Amino acid sequence: EAQVTQNPRYLITVTGKKLTVTCSQNMNHEYMSWYRQDPGLGLRQIYYSMNVEVTDKGDVPEGYKVSRKEKRNFPLILESPSPNQTSLYFCASGAFIGRADTGELFFGEGSRLTVL
Amino acid sequence: GQSLEQPSEVTAVEGAIVQINCTYQTSGFYGLSWYQQHDGGAPTFLSYNALDGLEETGRFSSFLSRSDSYGYLLLQELQMKDSASYFCAVRDGDFNKFYFGSGTKLNVKP
Repeated sequence: EAQVTQNPRYLITVTGKKLTVTCSQNMNHEYMSWYRQDPGLGLRQIYYSMNVEVTDKGDVPEGYKVSRKEKRNFPLILESPSPNQTSLYFCASGAFIGRADTGELFFGEGSRLTVL
Repeated sequence: GQSLEQPSEVTAVEGAIVQINCTYQTSGFYGLSWYQQHDGGAPTFLSYNALDGLEETGRFSSFLSRSDSYGYLLLQELQMKDSASYFCAVRDGDFNKFYFGSGTKLNVKP
């Protein structure tokens, strides 16, 4: 089954304690990205990656890091989480090259993060 | 900067037709997408328009006018299960960034 898998789905942590949210896709997509969703603000892009070892900032990258060492994985790292990073996070992937480009993003189920 | 405007909430009755509009201002437009999201769930893709005109997929249609920086999602024969939030999203082709509207909550009543 084609899917994007995120872990953990729920996490409560404290300010300053480093955490990683993993994201994996099994569709061989070149493109992967992270979003945060806050009430009334829609989804905002944090980082995206066009391929292995190629990452770039989205609209709200401050306080986050990413890496793309393998095509299928795109972890989101919060080095020193703060309460304003409490949010619902989504990972997504897509095939945006040539004939495979349907403009479609496939989203994971989301990770609800609370920073106390 | 980038901005997308869509109504915050729309209410319609079962069986009716509803149109959700989206206007955008972006610097490098490549395409307009629509996503559906039920409470607590993941956004799911509905349609994508890269060129002007109408795209139809079953009960859902999407329209784009690049010259007017405007698009809409049309939902026909509304069903209770269509109650959800709907997001338009602009794809910035220069950098493959995506910008989402703040969402339209559709309430379908019996």
